[in-house]
Amino acid sequence: EPEVTQTPSHQVTQMGQEVILRCVPISNHLYFYWYRQILGQKVEFLVSFYNNEISEKSEIFDDQFSVERPDGSNFTLKIRSTKLEDSAMYFCASKAAPSANTGELFFGEGSRLTVL
Amino acid sequence: GENVGLHLPTLSVQEGDNSIINCAYSNSASDYFIWYKQESGKGPQFIIDIRSNMDKRQGQRVTVLLNKTVKHLSLQIAATQPGDSAVYFCAGYGSSNTGKLIFGQGTTLQVKP
Repeated sequence: EPEVTQTPSHQVTQMGQEVILRCVPISNHLYFYWYRQILGQKVEFLVSFYNNEISEKSEIFDDQFSVERPDGSNFTLKIRSTKLEDSAMYFCASKAAPSANTGELFFGEGSRLTVL
Repeated sequence: GENVGLHLPTLSVQEGDNSIINCAYSNSASDYFIWYKQESGKGPQFIIDIRSNMDKRQGQRVTVLLNKTVKHLSLQIAATQPGDSAVYFCAGYGSSNTGKLIFGQGTTLQVKP
C-alpha cells in the first residue's frame, strides 16, 4: 500500500540551528501538507501546498518556516532558527482528491523534533 | 471561528463492549468529516469519513453518525478490542478551499481486558 514517508524519525538540535524535515508524499498525490503535534496535544495545521506554491498557512508558520518541493518526489519543511517551542512531532500529509476539501488525507509516521 | 472539539479526553471500556466517542464542531461550512486513530508514536490513521449530506456511515466495526442540527458527530466502535486502544481525533475541513483539516483535541480510548 502506498504511504507517505518521512525522515528523520527523530532529530535533536540546538536552539538557533536550522532543521530540514523531509517527506516523500504518495506519488500521484497533488496536495501536500505539514502538521505538527506538541506532545499530548492535538494535531495542528501548519501549511498547505498545491501547484508548487503555498495555498494556506497558519499563524504558527512564520518567517522561520519554509517549504519546498525541489523535485517531483520530495517535500521539505525547513525551520531556519529553531526555538525551544518548536519541539514537536511534525507530520507530512498528502492527498489525491480532485478537490481540496474532500477525500482522505494520508499522514506519514512523523518526525520528532527536539530542540535543546 | 472554526473549531472541532471532543467531549471527553479519556474513555475506558471493557473489551467486547461498544465504544462511543463524541465530537462537536462549530463551522457550519464544514461538509466533510474524518475520524482518525493515532497509536502511540505514530501518525494519524484514517478510520472513516462522512459527508454532510449523510447522517450515518458504516465501516467494519465502526459507524459514524452526523447530526448537522446540533453540529455533532460520533464514532461508534462495536465489540471493542485491545488493539483499538489509541487516541481518536475527529477532523473537519475548514472553510478555505485548501484542504486544511482542523482536528479536535482527541479522546484516549483505553480498552480493559
